[in-house]
Amino acid sequence: EADIYQTPRYLVIGTGKKITLECSQTMGHDKMYWYQQDPGMELHLIHYSYGVNSTEKGDLSSESTVSRIRTEHFPLTLESARPSHTSQYLCASRRGETQYFGPGTRLLVL
Amino acid sequence: QKEVEQDPGPLSVPEGAIVSLNCTYSNSAFQYFMWYRQYSRKGPELLMYTYSSGNKEDGRFTAQVDKSSKYISLFIRDSQPSDSATYLCAMSGDAGNMLTFGGGTRLMVKP
Repeated sequence: EADIYQTPRYLVIGTGKKITLECSQTMGHDKMYWYQQDPGMELHLIHYSYGVNSTEKGDLSSESTVSRIRTEHFPLTLESARPSHTSQYLCASRRGETQYFGPGTRLLVL
Repeated sequence: QKEVEQDPGPLSVPEGAIVSLNCTYSNSAFQYFMWYRQYSRKGPELLMYTYSSGNKEDGRFTAQVDKSSKYISLFIRDSQPSDSATYLCAMSGDAGNMLTFGGGTRLMVKP
């Protein structure tokens, strides 16, 4: 079983607030990813990292930013939340061809 | 056109039925093929992983890859209500390359 954690699991917040979604893994994986997924819809890659101090934007344009200061930690930040950011955010890490997902954070921006 | 196509469903079957889930793809460089299962409000979990063409069996699940047709399948035998979930296919080229996901097929197994 994968040891990848996301907090908070659920977040309701007002427009304009700054939020940080946390993701951590204890498996020592170098590769980590953030996906956005609307209910019943496909996964969209928004950020990825291949190791410490490495971050790249994914296929889906996103107003969020990420950082990778430590191998085990890959937080995602929204400087000013908007209703269009309402979605589920999934963090993942990978070793070889096996990618492990966290439980997700469901974000609702009012 | 998407690189990986998957019928979104929903696919509704009675308990005990054999289920066939499929993906087609356009990138002939894909060599690694995976199936993930995602329960509602959860993250996807890896079910099956195959490399190149052929079959792989794990309990009630069989993954099949036909690279000549660019077509992969997941078969579920003796389906159970607990199999009700969304199934996503994923694939990549060289080892370590970014995964490309299908949109997922929602499966409902009725008791």
